[in-house]
Amino acid sequence: DADVTQTPRNRITKTGKRIMLECSQTKGHDRMYWYRQDPGLGLQLIYYSFDVKDINKGEISDGYSVSRQAQAKFSLSLESAIPNQTALYFCATSDGPSDTDTQYFGPGTRLTVL
Amino acid sequence: QKEVEQNSGPLSVPEGAIASLNCTYSDRGSQSFFWYRQYSGKSPELIMSIYSNGDKEDGRFTAQLNKASQYVSLLIRDSQPSDSATYLCAVKRTGNQFYFGTGTSLTVIP
Repeated sequence: DADVTQTPRNRITKTGKRIMLECSQTKGHDRMYWYRQDPGLGLQLIYYSFDVKDINKGEISDGYSVSRQAQAKFSLSLESAIPNQTALYFCATSDGPSDTDTQYFGPGTRLTVL
Repeated sequence: QKEVEQNSGPLSVPEGAIASLNCTYSDRGSQSFFWYRQYSGKSPELIMSIYSNGDKEDGRFTAQLNKASQYVSLLIRDSQPSDSATYLCAVKRTGNQFYFGTGTSLTVIP
């Protein structure tokens, strides 16, 4: 089984709808991240969480919110989806503040907002 | 100035050749450096990590780090068509978040 899973893998929705993307991990990592990827723009950090009680905004948090339900679960919500939120979304985990801390990615969710 | 910069390519090399991918970073306090491979529509997959100056080899891959020049590179020897992908350079400051380059697209021509 995959260490980092994301659901759904694909989602098509309409403008104004509320959408939740879910991420679960079995790696036992404390840190979890949400990124979006648009063609030619690389990975942009939306939110990150260093533990269940610690949630931080990334560079593009406007229009998004998150919930860290447990060490293993980190959800991303789009309260009112808009077309320019159409992108590939990745969840990632890492194991801590040491210099050898490494990020591992889930398979991604392709979101289309019509 | 971007935290991490890569030449977007595309870079094309013939099968069996050496592919050289380059990355520069802006923060001298950066401690950890990573190369990820990403196939189209798939998630980034870790290839190499490097933490100290010099070379680190793993199979056909060699990562090179020069902290004085704020430069990290990835060499792929005996390139194969299956190496065709986008390669992302990532940098991490001590205790903090990761920064990714926009990636270099590599095509290996059979």
